[in-house]
Amino acid sequence: GAVVSQHPSWVICKSGTSVKIECRSLDFQATTMFWYRQFPKQSLMLMATSNEGSKATYEQGVEKDKFLINHASLTLSTLTVTSAHPEDSSFYICSARSAGNGGYTFGSGTRLTVV
Amino acid sequence: GDSVTQMEGPVTLSEEAFLTINCTYTATGYPSLFWYVQYPGEGLQLLLKATKADDKGSNKGFEATYRKETTSFHLEKGSVQVSDSAVYFCALGTQGAQKLVFGQGTRLTINP
Repeated sequence: GAVVSQHPSWVICKSGTSVKIECRSLDFQATTMFWYRQFPKQSLMLMATSNEGSKATYEQGVEKDKFLINHASLTLSTLTVTSAHPEDSSFYICSARSAGNGGYTFGSGTRLTVV
Repeated sequence: GDSVTQMEGPVTLSEEAFLTINCTYTATGYPSLFWYVQYPGEGLQLLLKATKADDKGSNKGFEATYRKETTSFHLEKGSVQVSDSAVYFCALGTQGAQKLVFGQGTRLTINP
């Protein structure tokens, strides 16, 4: 079946530094990638949608200069949290939509802790 | 706008009990409906889906039927196991809009 590999699974960084999270579709081409943020015991909040080769579309209230999304190829998207602060600590999950069957596959998530 | 409302949790049951988690939706057009499951510390896994009215999705003993007349997609399982403990999310995807809309999630705990 379709697999999305998300790395790292967890990361701890110092306040003010940047962190990059990668998502790769391993056996299919993902025309669209989605990035979500999930707070403890809450639902997923969509942050942005990115299509390969074009700029990401951010949801209202999400700072595009803080959460940089790159989707340079049909198998790779990255989310960079710039100048991270403790309030950015969260669980980040990516999802890829297959160009073939339109199905959605989720990564295993990244737990970010900013200290 | 499109939205999904799920039964509030947490839900705690004993092993072999019958499970129902309610989900209703509001959408324009004819959405596809999904149930996803999230185990602790992991991403979401597709549990089942239905793409049109009266379709029944099923997987691992779980079932849900797409009811257009009541705009519902309730999740059921006849006999739950401890390993079913997880958070369950109902979601919809609409034609033309690429993103999924999620419900708030229902935490399920099954006690032996």
